Amino acid sequence: DTGVSQDPRHKITKRGQNVTFRCDPISEHNRLYWYRQTLGQGPEFLTYFQNEAQLEKSRLLSDRFSAERPKGSFSTLEIQRTEQGDSAMYLCASSSYRGTERTQYFGPGTRLLVL
Amino acid sequence: QQQVKQSPQSLIVQKGGISIINCAYENTAFDYFPWYQQFPGKGPALLIAIRPDVSEKKEGRFTISFNKSAKQFSLHIMDSQPGDSATYFCAAPDTGANNLFFGTGTRLTVIP
Repeated sequence: DTGVSQDPRHKITKRGQNVTFRCDPISEHNRLYWYRQTLGQGPEFLTYFQNEAQLEKSRLLSDRFSAERPKGSFSTLEIQRTEQGDSAMYLCASSSYRGTERTQYFGPGTRLLVL
Repeated sequence: QQQVKQSPQSLIVQKGGISIINCAYENTAFDYFPWYQQFPGKGPALLIAIRPDVSEKKEGRFTISFNKSAKQFSLHIMDSQPGDSATYFCAAPDTGANNLFFGTGTRLTVIP
C-alpha cells in the first residue's frame, strides 16, 4: 500500500497524559499536513511541513501541541497534558505540490478519546 | 469565518436518483476546488476536483459544475447507488495552497 498511513488508529488516554501520533506520507510527497476533525464537522487545518520545515501553524495548535518532521519523511504530532476537548480524529495528508499539482491525499486518521 | 459554505447538511436519495450538493465561497483567490468522500471511521478520499477555468468536469457518475460569477460549485452524483452513502465535503485551498478549507459536510443516504 503506497498511501498515507497513520499509527495508531485509535488511542484512549486519561486527561493529563501525553500522546504521540505518527504519520507516514506518500513517499515522493514533499508536503505533509495535519488536520483535526470533530464529529459532524469538516477537517480543520492544524499545521503543515514542506520537507522538514514547519511553515505554518493554525491558531488551533495550542502550545500543548507540537509537530515534527525529521529528515522530511514521517511526521509526529504530540499532545501534552491532554484535555477532554482534544478528543477528535487527527488526520494526516500529503501532497507533492509541484507545478500545478496540489491534491492532498489523506490517511485513515487516528481517533483520540480523552477520558 | 467560514470560508466554504455547504448545503444541504443531509440528503436522502432513492437508488438511481441524482444527488446534488452545493457549495459557495467568498474568497476569489481560491483556484482549486476538490470534493472528498468520507466513510465512517475512514479518512477523506479525493473524489473529483475542478479548476475555475472550466465550468464542468465529469468523471464517471460524478460531475462538478462551477459558476465562477456566482462563486458557487456543486457535485452531482448520477444514478446514485447505496454504496455512495457517505459524507461528502467540498473544499478550497488558501491562497498559498498551504491548507484546505472544508465545508461542513453533507451526509448522503441512498435508499435501495
